[in-house]
Order: sequence, then C-alpha cells, then structure tokens
Amino acid sequence: DAGVTQSPTHLIKTRGQQVTLRCSPKSGHDTVSWYQQALGQGPQFIFQYYEEEERQRGNFPDRFSGHQFPNYSSELNVNALLLGDSALYLCASSRVGYEQYFGPGTRLTVT
Amino acid sequence: QQQVKQSPQSLIVQKGGISIINCAYENTAFDYFPWYQQFPGKGPALLIAIRPDVSEKKEGRFTISFNKSAKQFSLHIMDSQPGDSATYFCAASTGPGTASKLTFGTGTRLQVTL
Repeated sequence: DAGVTQSPTHLIKTRGQQVTLRCSPKSGHDTVSWYQQALGQGPQFIFQYYEEEERQRGNFPDRFSGHQFPNYSSELNVNALLLGDSALYLCASSRVGYEQYFGPGTRLTVT
Repeated sequence: QQQVKQSPQSLIVQKGGISIINCAYENTAFDYFPWYQQFPGKGPALLIAIRPDVSEKKEGRFTISFNKSAKQFSLHIMDSQPGDSATYFCAASTGPGTASKLTFGTGTRLQVTL
C-alpha cells in the first residue's frame, strides 16, 4: 500500500515566479492538508481540502492556493514567490476524523 | 501566537536511558494530541497519540503522559536506542472531523549516544 506521495522532491525557483506542488494521498484517504515547514521549525498549517473544497485555512496569504481533484489528489500553488517561501512543503492525508499521515515533502528553494 | 510550547529544544541521552520531551498548550479546545518523529529529509511519521479522556497511553517503548488540568503532556521513550535519534514534534488539534488542522510544537532534536 503506497503511502502519501509528493512531487517534485526538490524545486528551485526565482523570486516572483509561480510554483505548483502535487500530492497523492494514501489509499482510502479523502482529506488532504498542506503544511509549510521552515528549517528548524515545526510544520505550519496552510489549508485543508475535503470533497474538493477548502475547508480550513491557516494564516497564509492569498498567494497560497490549492485544489483537490475527484481522485482526492491535491495541488498547492504559490504565486509571486518570496525568499521567505523557501521551506519544506508537506502534504498530509487522512480519512475524516482519523490520523494524518505525512508525505516526504517537497523542498522549495527560492533564489 | 504559539499555542503549543515544546521543550527542550535538544536532548542528549545515553543508550538505554529514558528520553523525556514536554509540551504545554493554551487552547482548551484541543482534544487530540499526537507525537510525530521526523528523520532528516523525511516527512513526520505518526508515533503515538492520546485524547484527554485518559492520562497515559503506552505503545512499546513510547508512553504519553497527559495532565489535563495543567494543560501539559509529555513523551517518554524508554530504553532509548541510537535509531531513536531524530526530531520529535508534539502537536494538538481540535479532534475529529474535517476541521482537524494540527498545531505543532517547535520540535526537540534527540540524540542517543552509545
């Protein structure tokens, strides 16, 4: 049984560019959450998707947006990249009411 | 506003010893408290979790102690092994349902020496 998968593994972008990160949830999971983890810090909640809708959002600007597809996979989009957006972006999947399982993350570097 | 405070920031324990990591929370609406283990270059892995209706939960060498009145909970790793060397995060959420975002502590880097 494949766990949560994310792509790409690493990404380097320039300030002002846009980026799309992808996540495939664990089999049987229908909820996807995205987190940002800066170096040496705990993950920070960005938003959560369930039934293709954003259900909850953390304290992140509108430059961060997402989407969930009918097969439950999800994308995280970040526009107008800033140097401070450099971080490990984690996707977590779950079934409603159950534990969240994290993927390996996408390391984004903004130069 | 940091809603979950974690200590210590780093911890060195000898092989066979007990590792103890503490967390304190502010939001009394939290009712689910997981611990995650993260190795370098990997995503966090769920280790053990507790709900506030019990004061302790044990799974193998890992035990969570929970003090609802003090709004504190801790992770104890018995018989610590070098393979336990990782960063540990406590977290909290408001429980089941779609509104289950996790609020994480700042992490504890554990090193288990021979």
